[in-house]
Amino acid sequence: KAGVTQTPRYLIKTRGQQVTLSCSPISGHRSVSWYQQTPGQGLQFLFEYFSETQRNKGNFPGRFSGRQFSNSRSEMNVSTLELGDSALYLCASRTRGPDEKLFFGSGTQLSVL
Amino acid sequence: SQQGEEDPQALSIQEGENATMNCSYKTSINNLQWYRQNSGRGLVHLILIRSNEREKHSGRLRVTLDTSKKSSSLLITASRAADTASYFCATGNTGANSKLTFGKGITLSVRP
Repeated sequence: KAGVTQTPRYLIKTRGQQVTLSCSPISGHRSVSWYQQTPGQGLQFLFEYFSETQRNKGNFPGRFSGRQFSNSRSEMNVSTLELGDSALYLCASRTRGPDEKLFFGSGTQLSVL
Repeated sequence: SQQGEEDPQALSIQEGENATMNCSYKTSINNLQWYRQNSGRGLVHLILIRSNEREKHSGRLRVTLDTSKKSSSLLITASRAADTASYFCATGNTGANSKLTFGKGITLSVRP
C-alpha cells in the first residue's frame, strides 16, 4: 500500500496570503488528522476528520480550516498567513479510531515571509 | 497544551549502550504510544501500550506504563547510530472524540 502522501513538500508564502495543503491517506483509512510542528511548541493538534466530518478540533484560530472529501483525501487551509504560521504541517491517517496508531506523511514545510 | 512531557529533553550515548526515555502525563488515558522522527520528516509509530497493560516489547524496544504514577518509559537496548532521532510519546484520552496528544520530544544522539 502507498503511504500517506502530502503535497506540496515545501511552500513559501508572504504574510496575508492564504495556503491550501493536501493529504492523501493510506487506502482504506477514513480518519485524517492534521498537526502543526514548530521547534518551540512541538506537535500541536489542529483537527481530525472522519468520513467527511470534523470529529475533533484543537485550539487554533478560525484562520485554520480543513475538509475531507468522499475519497478520504483531506485539505487544510490557512488564510491571512502570519509569520508565526511557519511550521511543518503533518497529516496522519488511521483506519477508524483513537485506539490505533497513526501513519504520518512526510509533511509540508511552510515558510511565511 | 502538551499532555505528555518527555524527559530528558536530549540524550547522548555511545553506540551499544541502552537509552531510556521517560514520559509523564496528566489525565486519564486510553493508550500511550511512542513515535520516532528523523529530521524534517514525518513520525513513525514504534509501539502502543494500552492503559491495562504494564509492559510491552518489540524487538530492541521495551515500554512500560505505570498508570498510578501517570508515567511511561521507553528503553532502546544496544543502541545504534541509526537510532539517532527525536522520540515522542503520545497519549490517547478516553471518549468518542479522543485525539492523540504529543509531548515535545526527546532528541537522542547515538555516537558511533
